[in-house]
Amino acid sequence: GENVEQHPSTLSVQEGDSAVIKCTYSDSASNYFPWYKQELGKRPQLIIDIRSNVGEKKDQRIAVTLNKTAKHFSLHITETQPEDSAVYFCAAGITGGGNKLTFGTGTQLKVEL
Amino acid sequence: EAQVTQNPRYLITVTGKKLTVTCSQNMNHEYMSWYRQDPGLGLRQIYYSMNVEVTDKGDVPEGYKVSRKEKRNFPLILESPSPNQTSLYFCASSLFFSHGGSTDTQYFGPGTRLTVL
Repeated sequence: GENVEQHPSTLSVQEGDSAVIKCTYSDSASNYFPWYKQELGKRPQLIIDIRSNVGEKKDQRIAVTLNKTAKHFSLHITETQPEDSAVYFCAAGITGGGNKLTFGTGTQLKVEL
Repeated sequence: EAQVTQNPRYLITVTGKKLTVTCSQNMNHEYMSWYRQDPGLGLRQIYYSMNVEVTDKGDVPEGYKVSRKEKRNFPLILESPSPNQTSLYFCASSLFFSHGGSTDTQYFGPGTRLTVL
């Protein structure tokens, strides 16, 4: 089955700096890669996703890049703000294939003032 | 309001006492899933269901049962809970199929924190 590795497990940045979280996956059939944000005590919520027919996708300060050949994808957050502090999970799955997602182990992002 | 609900939100029980955690969604989603979240291990899938009466094992199904008799409900059953099932549980749902639109977004419930003594 699919295996997703996520790094780093913790990340501390200064407000205004950029943050990058990286994930690798093992199943070359995976073609759907969402990122979820989980604030303390709350449920995970989708912040951005990418499908394998594109290499990069942006939504304001958030971007995701995908390298299918190397089987890795990354989340980039620019101009970080204190409200970006949360746990971020990457995931991999097959679109339309039962929607089974395999999640990474999470990255605790702390944005310091 | 479109949502996924879970009950109870918090539960403390003892080893061996059967319990059920309910999950319900009002979005007419075909796909529903249960995850457990443990520190350092992320979200691991327990069971999932692609439609009524169709269920399948995820990555960590041992000690759990599910049923999908109605489209909106997907209860998680622990027949004989053990302390290693102490965890935070999330139910999620998504639209399995649509005509060209994004169908893969999983919507999570608020979570159920279970402690088994």
